[in-house]
Order: sequence, then structure tokens, then C-alpha cells
Amino acid sequence: QVQLVESGGGVVHPGGSLRLSCVASGFTFRSYGMHWVRQAPGKGPEWVAVISFDGRIKYYGDSVKGRFIISRDNSNNTLYLQMNSLRPEDTAIYSCAKEQLSRYYGWDVWGQGTTVTVSS
Amino acid sequence: QSVLTQPSSVSGTPGQRVTISCSGSISNIGSATANWYQQLPGTAPKLLIYAYDQRPSGVPDRFSGSKSGTSASLAISGLQSEDEADYYCATWDDSLNVVLFGAGTRLTVL
Repeated sequence: QVQLVESGGGVVHPGGSLRLSCVASGFTFRSYGMHWVRQAPGKGPEWVAVISFDGRIKYYGDSVKGRFIISRDNSNNTLYLQMNSLRPEDTAIYSCAKEQLSRYYGWDVWGQGTTVTVSS
Repeated sequence: QSVLTQPSSVSGTPGQRVTISCSGSISNIGSATANWYQQLPGTAPKLLIYAYDQRPSGVPDRFSGSKSGTSASLAISGLQSEDEADYYCATWDDSLNVVLFGAGTRLTVL
């Protein structure tokens, strides 16, 4: 079945780094734009970044621009998020999501997420 | 970055019709798109409506979407207890090249 499974979360000190992964299955990964989104406890979703189907176009949310890098490996059906210079306010559940048709048509598949905690 | 404006809460009784509004701007809802998600406790959000008024397969026709100017709305008719959830609007902003979310609306079925 169509599925996204994230991994790589954990506890990290402020200023530290983490690399998240999202493995896709059940659909043609290389054909779709992919997003990272995060949700802090008790809060709504906050968009983090998007990458086009071929990896050529990337956009970031203001709160992570210059610190996070989104990338993908279409040969291994995997999406990545490299997170650097982490701050306590980056603490959240990070999920990957698949575009339904384009960036205008919403996300029809979400992963269950991986938890990132930034604390000293 | 600006956010989309939604009411923090709405409520209704079983069988009733409720609407949730989402206010944006010309560069997002006004010209690009509006999508709606339902989030039940402890689960990932589920796409309910995309491109203002389109329903993905499997979404009951009790859920409908519309657009007027720079605002979008989600309507839920024949309210059921299982509709009690958080609802989020989202859009792509063509000027900023970002995804924007509303802060969410908690629907309570009385």
C-alpha cells in the first residue's frame, strides 16, 4: 500500500544537527513533489520545505531557511531533511508528505512522523 | 510569514450544517488554491478538499468546499459525532513560494 515512513529523529542539543529520512513505497516516488512538515505539541502543522519531483526546485519556510536542506534520492525512493543549527523551537514531530498532483492540490499521503527534541 | 485566518472553534449538533472560513490574500487563496485537512487526535492530517472544491475519492459528499474572493470555506452537512476533529486550511502562495496553514479550527459536536 501507499506509505511513507520517517526515521532519524531524536534528542539533540541546541546548535546540533540531525538528518531525517522518509522512505516511500506503493507509488512512483520519482514522479511527485515531496514536502516536510512539522507539528509541535498542541499546535497545528507548520510547513518546512518542498522539493520538486526531480530535485531541481526547492523552497523553504522562513523559520528554517539557511539551516535546513531538503534532498531526495529517487533511485532509493527516499526523501531527506538535513537539519543544522537546531534551536529549541525546532522541537516537533516531523512528517513527510506527498503532493497529490502538484503543489496546488494538497498532500494525499502523510507519514506518521519522527520526533525531534532540541534541549540542553 | 503570514498565516491564513480561521476561527479557533465551531460547534454544532448532529445533523446540523456547519461552515469554517479561511481568509487569505490575492497571492494565495485569491488566485492559487485552498485545501482542507481533517486531523483526528493522534493521527496524521487527512486531505478532505483540494483546489477549493474538489473531493478526493473516499471523502463523503457531506464535505464541500467553496471560494469567494480571497477566502475559502469548508462546509460539513449532516454533522456526525465522528466529525469532531481539528480542521486546517492550507494554500500555496505564488508570491512567497511557500505553503501556508491556518491555525486550525476545533469542531465540537454537541
